[in-house]
Amino acid sequence: ETGVTQTPRHLVMGMTNKKSLKCEQHLGHNAMYWYKQSAKKPLELMFVYSLEERVENNSVPSRFSPECPNSSHLFLHLHTLQPEDSALYLCASSQESNQPQHFGDGTRLSIL
Amino acid sequence: LAKTTQPISMDSYEGQEVNITCSHNNIATNDYITWYQQFPSQGPRFIIQGYKTKVTNEVASLFIPADRKSSTLSLPRVSLSDTAVYYCLVGAADGNKLVFGAGTILRVKS
Repeated sequence: ETGVTQTPRHLVMGMTNKKSLKCEQHLGHNAMYWYKQSAKKPLELMFVYSLEERVENNSVPSRFSPECPNSSHLFLHLHTLQPEDSALYLCASSQESNQPQHFGDGTRLSIL
Repeated sequence: LAKTTQPISMDSYEGQEVNITCSHNNIATNDYITWYQQFPSQGPRFIIQGYKTKVTNEVASLFIPADRKSSTLSLPRVSLSDTAVYYCLVGAADGNKLVFGAGTILRVKS
C-alpha cells in the first residue's frame, strides 16, 4: 500500500474514445504528478501540480488534459489518443515539490 | 536538465553488497540526487535521497563525491527480492525539473 491509489489499473480504449484516469492520495501531500512510462523508455514527467495549481507541462499533446480539483485528487482526461500513447501512466504525490515522491501502481493504457 | 547515465544491468548473488553508480555530469547547484526502486507492474518506490557526501538509511547508502558529478547507491547484503529496476533521479530543489535515468536492471541470483 503506497498511499496513492490509481484507477482503473487497466484500460483499453479506441482512438475516438474519451476516458479519464483517476489518482487519489490521502497522505496530506501538496504536490501531485503525472508520468508516462513506455516500454524500454525512461519515465517521462508530464504534469506537475502544486497546491492545486499546474506548475509544469512538459510539452504534452493537448489530447492529454489534467485536472486537479483538490489536493487529494488528480485526473488525466484522455481523448482522441494515438497508438503510441499506449503506456503505463503513473501518478505520484509529495509533501512539497522538492520532497521524495510516492507513486501509485499506475494505469496500463492500451489504445486500439 | 541534468542527464543521468547508469549501467543497463547488473548481476549479483544473495548476501553480496551491490553498488550502482550513476553519472550526472551536468548536475546543477540546487539539484538533489534521488534513487527509486521499481518492480514489474508497480510504481517506483523511494529508496534514498542526498545532496552531498554520504547518506544512510535502513535499506541503503548513497555516496556522493565532492564534485557531485556521480553518485553510488550501495545495497548491503542483497536478497532475491531486491531484483528490480533502480532509477537515479536528479532534480532541482523546486522538484519540477525531474529527470529519470534509463534505470539499472539488478538481478540477484541464489
